[in-house]
Amino acid sequence: ETGVTQSPTHLIKTRGQQVTLRCSSQSGHNTVSWYQQALGQGPQFIFQYYREEENGRGNFPPRFSGLQFPNYSSELNVNALELDDSALYLCASSLDGYTGELFFGEGSRLTVL
Amino acid sequence: DQQVKQNSPSLSVQEGRISILNCDYTNSMFDYFLWYKKYPAEGPTFLISISSIKDKNEDGRFTVFLNKSAKHLSLHIVPSQPGDSAVYFCAAYQGAQKLVFGQGTRLTINP
Repeated sequence: ETGVTQSPTHLIKTRGQQVTLRCSSQSGHNTVSWYQQALGQGPQFIFQYYREEENGRGNFPPRFSGLQFPNYSSELNVNALELDDSALYLCASSLDGYTGELFFGEGSRLTVL
Repeated sequence: DQQVKQNSPSLSVQEGRISILNCDYTNSMFDYFLWYKKYPAEGPTFLISISSIKDKNEDGRFTVFLNKSAKHLSLHIVPSQPGDSAVYFCAAYQGAQKLVFGQGTRLTINP
């Protein structure tokens, strides 16, 4: 059974650029959630994808968008990067939007200069 | 507006003693709570959960207590071990999809 994997693990961008982060869900899981963890804070919910459809969204602007593919892997896209977007981006998978334990990847650390 | 609060940024405990991590919440609609543990350069890993129909849940060395009237939960680790040194997050489900996390408490177990 493979766990949640994310790529890249670290990246540096400049303000105004665009970034794409990738996530492969745990084997057998069809639901992917994305969280942003700023330094010294807890993770904050960005959105969830279930069977390729957005299934809930947190308080993030539209320049944060996502995709889920038929194999249940997912992408998080952020346009027009701002300095405050610097954070650890965590992907978590679960089954059928199950309200319970989420399985997290190790995260992608984004630095915006 | 912090709906889940962990007011202690850090906690230091001697090996073998009890570690108690606290969490308060403001939303009375929360009915399912989880604790996650996070090591550096790793994602959070699930530790233990509790539903609002219970006031206690135990799993080995870990016990979570829920006081609904006080909107307070706590995680007890007995006995504490060096491998327990990590950041601990309290979280609550808001709706079916969204986990609301506290800011985290860094636990250090001293030999």
